[in-house]
Amino acid sequence: LAKTTQPISMDSYEGQEVNITCSHNNIATNDYITWYQQFPSQGPRFIIQGYKTKVTNEVASLFIPADRKSSTLSLPRVSLSDTAVYYCLVVSNNAGNMLTFGGGTRLMVKP
Amino acid sequence: DAGITQSPRHKVTETGTPVTLRCHQTENHRYMYWYRQDPGHGLRLIHYSYGVKDTDKGEVSDGYSVSRSKTEDFLLTLESATSSQTSVYFCAISEGLAGGTQYFGPGTRLLVL
Repeated sequence: LAKTTQPISMDSYEGQEVNITCSHNNIATNDYITWYQQFPSQGPRFIIQGYKTKVTNEVASLFIPADRKSSTLSLPRVSLSDTAVYYCLVVSNNAGNMLTFGGGTRLMVKP
Repeated sequence: DAGITQSPRHKVTETGTPVTLRCHQTENHRYMYWYRQDPGHGLRLIHYSYGVKDTDKGEVSDGYSVSRSKTEDFLLTLESATSSQTSVYFCAISEGLAGGTQYFGPGTRLLVL
């Protein structure tokens, strides 16, 4: 499984756009990039998943360059409720490969 | 939110006692997982199931066993609890391949004294 590296923590202010970058230099051809969000005392929650270029949903956008060695989760106009830990995962599409959670990025949104 | 419940939500037990945690889903998903989360380690996979009576080990399976006799229930048993098994335990489910989108339960906080 490809190892991921992301910042330990980030601070932002309400209304700003937040970009969290994750590096995954050893990503394989069959791997997808997936992001989860975790609030205190709750289980992780799936945010977005992509393979290449750009994916957007109602919560976030995911930008993946052509070489796929990194990805950027973009949260538009964050609010205080976006304060959470964000995990970047590389997931194989082959059966039997599990999710491997690293330390994540602790995002603190300030008023 | 996906229909996943965990019981109990909190438990305090003593070293050496058996403990069983239950995960129940109403989504009829094929895959179920047990993770533990500890400070400094993120989430680590203990065991997973890819169908009724079909289970396999994860990254940190020593000291744990699992059973799945029905699609909706996945049990995690600590045969003889130790203080190192004090943790928050999360159950997760997924419909498709064992990867990608997983839906997590609310967690069980276990303290082994």
